[in-house]
Amino acid sequence: GESVGLHLPTLSVQEGDNSIINCAYSNSASDYFIWYKQESGKGPQFIIDIRSNMDKRQGQRVTVLLNKTVKHLSLQIAATQPGDSAVYFCAENIGAGGTSYGKLTFGQGTILTVHP
Amino acid sequence: NAGVMQNPRHLVRRRGQEARLRCSPMKGHSHVYWYRQLPEEGLKFMVYLQKENIIDESGMPKERFSAEFPKEGPSILRIQQVVRGDSAAYFCASSRGRNTGELFFGEGSRLTVL
Repeated sequence: GESVGLHLPTLSVQEGDNSIINCAYSNSASDYFIWYKQESGKGPQFIIDIRSNMDKRQGQRVTVLLNKTVKHLSLQIAATQPGDSAVYFCAENIGAGGTSYGKLTFGQGTILTVHP
Repeated sequence: NAGVMQNPRHLVRRRGQEARLRCSPMKGHSHVYWYRQLPEEGLKFMVYLQKENIIDESGMPKERFSAEFPKEGPSILRIQQVVRGDSAAYFCASSRGRNTGELFFGEGSRLTVL
């Protein structure tokens, strides 16, 4: 069935290092992908999105890469800071035929811990 | 505070009671979503509403759960006759339109069923 999952449940990095969080998806029909960050006790916060007609998209300190051939998505965070410590979720949407791009299927999440 | 407001933040109910969770979307947002998050899991879509209309409730359990977004007032997620398995964090999110996955989430309502 449709699913979005993560390769690594936890990731520990040193402050200043670059972080890479990976995500695999199984539905070839998925055409829209989003990364969210969730800090402890809070709601998810949008980071960046990418549509299937793109391979790469950059934001402030973050880059999302999409490889449709192997159905893989990654989030790269440059110069990781302690404030980046959170759970990171990838999410997908089959937007073209669905009711809304806000109807998302979330992965299980990766815990990112940044050590000072 | 222009963010998505949810209340109560924490709710404790005994089995068989009713739980009502409220959500006020961001100003200017007319699209509301409810998601459920079980411990150690990602969020699961429940329902998508616009003012006075349920657009997509494909993620809602068939029984005991209902949602509304009236013309005036907050969106309400109602759970009747709660069971222990309903214990979870319930997140509301809003967006300006349907053509974006950039949802603005509230801080969640954590339901505990004793």
